[in-house]
Amino acid sequence: DAGVIQSPRHEVTEMGQEVTLRCKPISGHDYLFWYRQTMMRGLELLIYFNNNVPIDDSGMPEDRFSAKMPNASFSTLKIQPSEPRDSAVYFCASSLKTAYGYTFGSGTRLTVV
Amino acid sequence: DAKTTQPPSMDCAEGRAANLPCNHSTISGNEYVYWYRQIHSQGPQYIIHGLKNNETNEMASLIITEDRKSSTLILPHATLRDTAVYYCSLVGAGANNLFFGTGTRLTVIP
Repeated sequence: DAGVIQSPRHEVTEMGQEVTLRCKPISGHDYLFWYRQTMMRGLELLIYFNNNVPIDDSGMPEDRFSAKMPNASFSTLKIQPSEPRDSAVYFCASSLKTAYGYTFGSGTRLTVV
Repeated sequence: DAKTTQPPSMDCAEGRAANLPCNHSTISGNEYVYWYRQIHSQGPQYIIHGLKNNETNEMASLIITEDRKSSTLILPHATLRDTAVYYCSLVGAGANNLFFGTGTRLTVIP
């Protein structure tokens, strides 16, 4: 298994532009999570899906952030418009049902200038 | 909120056991203790989890006190590759939202 695959690995964009981050979870995993990591705030859970349905998006910082999971093998996190304070590493993770450990991707390092 | 308290940093000599403590005094009866680690610039990696019994796998051992208010992660023979930030978190049974605290930065010294 290739693990959780995220793309791109690095993204540099200008303020105001739309940014789309992509994630392919491990086949067979029921849950998918998006996290954001910054020096100031650490690892924050943004949103998670169960069987492609968003369950809890209370961690999404603003309406500029949106996430979708159109099928079991793909999810996107979109920021529109992007701002410099969105600069962070964004991680995607997937897991089987409860009580199983999450598997994280390698992350996307986003820089908004 | 991870609902746990960990020391910010620890050092351990290579080849010795690393014992990482975690306090979770408000743990509920159905909450599991999970441990993850994050090696620099990588995604967090699952290590082990437990409810009330001690657990052991190929990576580590987890010791949970009888009152479940604290736990210790043990890396039996620390190597330089174990240098990382270690996170202790609580997850309720039936829940699947894992929150991370500030963790403990473990440095293994040659």
